[in-house]
Amino acid sequence: GQQLNQSPQSMFIQEGEDVSMNCTSSSIFNTWLWYKQEPGEGPVLLIALYKAGELTSNGRLTAQFGITRKDSFLNISASIPSDVGIYFCAGRTYNTDKLIFGTGTRLQVFP
Amino acid sequence: EAQVTQNPRYLITVTGKKLTVTCSQNMNHEYMSWYRQDPGLGLRQIYYSMNVEVTDKGDVPEGYKVSRKEKRNFPLILESPSPNQTSLYFCASSLSLGGEGYTFGSGTRLTVV
Repeated sequence: GQQLNQSPQSMFIQEGEDVSMNCTSSSIFNTWLWYKQEPGEGPVLLIALYKAGELTSNGRLTAQFGITRKDSFLNISASIPSDVGIYFCAGRTYNTDKLIFGTGTRLQVFP
Repeated sequence: EAQVTQNPRYLITVTGKKLTVTCSQNMNHEYMSWYRQDPGLGLRQIYYSMNVEVTDKGDVPEGYKVSRKEKRNFPLILESPSPNQTSLYFCASSLSLGGEGYTFGSGTRLTVV
């Protein structure tokens, strides 16, 4: 089945640093979603994007729907220890409406 | 509280012993789905259901069965578990297939020895 390429696979950063991660696909998507999974829990929706070029923020998080409709970016500014977790992108295709998940980015934040 | 409830949270079993992981949602969602999460592979869809008595295969359905006799419940059945089914499993629900994101359960960590 189709999967999204998400990078980097993991990040180890110091508290206060900014973080960037991205997701790319060979298919065009009509929706991009970003989820966060904390240890021992299921993924929780952070941001949803619906239009090419759209830039949306949720607190210190900012995500963008790529102009080509084949990629999306998530930035976290001034990271804090509670940002630790796995971040998943997910895209929804035009033809099937099915949600496809990325491989995840594992984020570790050191105080 | 709106939620998706999975049971059990942890399960260790032996090869070939049939097991069921239950999933229940209290949001009257039509769409429910099962995923497995493996390191480096992200979330892969096993089966999904668009409504009562309507189920379909996802990307990795081999070795699994599901049923949707009631709207709120969507159990995952492993008739003859094998070690390659050792994984972290998530149930998710949504108002519709094209709905606004999914609500996930807390996961079931399954180990097959």
